[in-house]
Amino acid sequence: DTGVSQDPRHKITKRGQNVTFRCDPISEHNRLYWYRQTLGQGPEFLTYFQNEAQLEKSRLLSDRFSAERPKGSFSTLEIQRTEQGDSAMYLCASSSNSGGYNEQFFGPGTRLTVL
Amino acid sequence: QKEVEQNSGPLSVPEGAIASLNCTYSDRGSQSFFWYRQYSGKSPELIMSIYSNGDKEDGRFTAQLNKASQYVSLLIRDSQPSDSATYLCAVKKSSGGYNKLIFGAGTRLAVHP
Repeated sequence: DTGVSQDPRHKITKRGQNVTFRCDPISEHNRLYWYRQTLGQGPEFLTYFQNEAQLEKSRLLSDRFSAERPKGSFSTLEIQRTEQGDSAMYLCASSSNSGGYNEQFFGPGTRLTVL
Repeated sequence: QKEVEQNSGPLSVPEGAIASLNCTYSDRGSQSFFWYRQYSGKSPELIMSIYSNGDKEDGRFTAQLNKASQYVSLLIRDSQPSDSATYLCAVKKSSGGYNKLIFGAGTRLAVHP
């Protein structure tokens, strides 16, 4: 399978705990995105990497959130001191920069539940 | 005003009919437009992309773009129960924002036998 993969698929944690999610993009894609989706809403942009450089962060990404893509391949998203409002589906997508069309392909997502 | 707006539905159509899904956007300079299908509990799946005014057909799907009126639509011909899902419209902004997509809240489609 050469699609975007995410791990874990589900995470249940207690309020105040830290969690980390991993995303492996499609191998030839140099662009990687994180989105968050809550029930009944479309995905909301969180952050974007081109290779290892984090080029944009949404205002939604509070200081408790941090993302890395150290070698320009996989990426991690960490949430510190989780809150119940962080409960959502966290989606990773990747795209290539060929053609300028920026078709983004999503992974299966990580569903986070904060108790 | 939301940047990308869709009717939440549900849009209910009988099997075999044409389903018409609409989306409007606020950024007049937007260049790229996408339709994603999302089944309940799953992640979005890209089904169509369109960049120029007019129609683009792919199998049973036709995307239509009218930049002057700032709307994009998706037609699904010969609708099947397996098409029942939420359809998300996404727009790539023209300036700033690098390559992020702005999504609508989605339209839920129900195709009944």
